[in-house]
Amino acid sequence: AQSVAQPEDQVNVAEGNPLTVKCTYSVSGNPYLFWYVQYPNRGLQFLLKYITGDNLVKGSYGFEAEFNKSQTSFHLKKPSALVSDSALYFCAVRDDTGGFKTIFGAGTRLFVKA
Amino acid sequence: DTGVSQDPRHKITKRGQNVTFRCDPISEHNRLYWYRQTLGQGPEFLTYFQNEAQLEKSRLLSDRFSAERPKGSFSTLEIQRTEQGDSAMYLCASSLGGSREEQYFGPGTRLTVT
Repeated sequence: AQSVAQPEDQVNVAEGNPLTVKCTYSVSGNPYLFWYVQYPNRGLQFLLKYITGDNLVKGSYGFEAEFNKSQTSFHLKKPSALVSDSALYFCAVRDDTGGFKTIFGAGTRLFVKA
Repeated sequence: DTGVSQDPRHKITKRGQNVTFRCDPISEHNRLYWYRQTLGQGPEFLTYFQNEAQLEKSRLLSDRFSAERPKGSFSTLEIQRTEQGDSAMYLCASSLGGSREEQYFGPGTRLTVT
């Protein structure tokens, strides 16, 4: 069965510092991995994805994520956090075995302090 | 491209009543998903359509829930004999598929069952 874990309910970081939001997953086949962001009173927005290819993927707003197959992780990173990055971040996964069910983590709230 | 739209945005109903929600995906997207999100949780997969065919349905979805996408364009989600536990945000998303797996979400319909 597929699963996603976001071990931190909240991440606090000072503006200008690097940030990491953690995600680990479990799938039967090869993973398709995604990060989405939800700003207050706004819908979920796609940030970046890993389907195949380079393990380091770059996405919107300066975010990037590294796919690590041995550790089954897909951590979201940004070199320098902005106050405007404060939001709720969701990791999601589905596998390539034929199903289309996408599993989302419970979310991590990022708080960037000025 | 006006994005994914959902109607209504809010619905308050009494226990036992039937409700129907509508989703209009991005016009060229052939994949459509329904999710349910409760406070503090990530979106929970309900069902998936490819064009007009419903290809996957969560086992968590009781017989009171039904979804259609009659012409491969808009979709409806109906909940019969609503229960207080059905109170949640119902999200619709669409995607192109292929290498464009990322999903674009609508603003959601917030259902409150009294």
